[in-house]
Amino acid sequence: EIVLTQSPGTLSLSPGERATLSCRASQSVSSSYLAWYQQKPGQAPRLLIYGASSRATGIPDRFSGSGSGTDFTLTISRLEPEDFAVYYCQQYGSSLLFTFGPGTKVDIK
Amino acid sequence: QVQLQESGPGLVKPSETLSLTCAVSGYSISSGYYWGWIRQPPGKGLEWIGSIYHSGSTYYNPSLKSRVTISVDTSKNQFSLKLSSVTAADTAVYYCARLRMTTVTYFDYWGQGTLVTVSS
Repeated sequence: EIVLTQSPGTLSLSPGERATLSCRASQSVSSSYLAWYQQKPGQAPRLLIYGASSRATGIPDRFSGSGSGTDFTLTISRLEPEDFAVYYCQQYGSSLLFTFGPGTKVDIK
Repeated sequence: QVQLQESGPGLVKPSETLSLTCAVSGYSISSGYYWGWIRQPPGKGLEWIGSIYHSGSTYYNPSLKSRVTISVDTSKNQFSLKLSSVTAADTAVYYCARLRMTTVTYFDYWGQGTLVTVSS
């Protein structure tokens, strides 16, 4: 089973700042099968990025994804007030298994 | 617009079976896509439970496989989750979601989630 580790656990930033979130896999993951989600309190997760770098429909271009192999990154170029939330990476791998990372909370400094 | 809505009891007794249904609107399950269940214990992260194709093919999380059954009813445009022998550890918000599994994989539409508490 592929284990995803996200860092940092919490990122304290101010609106307008750049956020860089990391997702590391215990073994190589196909970029096609790496996605990122945003979750706000009391809400369902929302798809942001799929295929490691493709933005989902309606996602602002301040969100970008990159990476390959075992290291992936979600970048928010300039934080807006509505971007403070928890972010999860998710992969699909061997044994037809889906796993999620533990999440990174982006909160207001 | 694709919409998913979970329904089922909010309280289940230990050792009993948790049963939830996900009603899909705005898209016909028979048209394709996979459909999945994901859960989130209070204050914790997300755990994939399993997925089903419209034909009925299923894939389960190995950690839950012995207790999980996911089924689909295309005539009602809905799919269901049964989790047997529940314990307090199964207390969570349960989400249903549409799963794209082609050259890329992701959950693109999610229900709002339903909290299921396991308690006597």
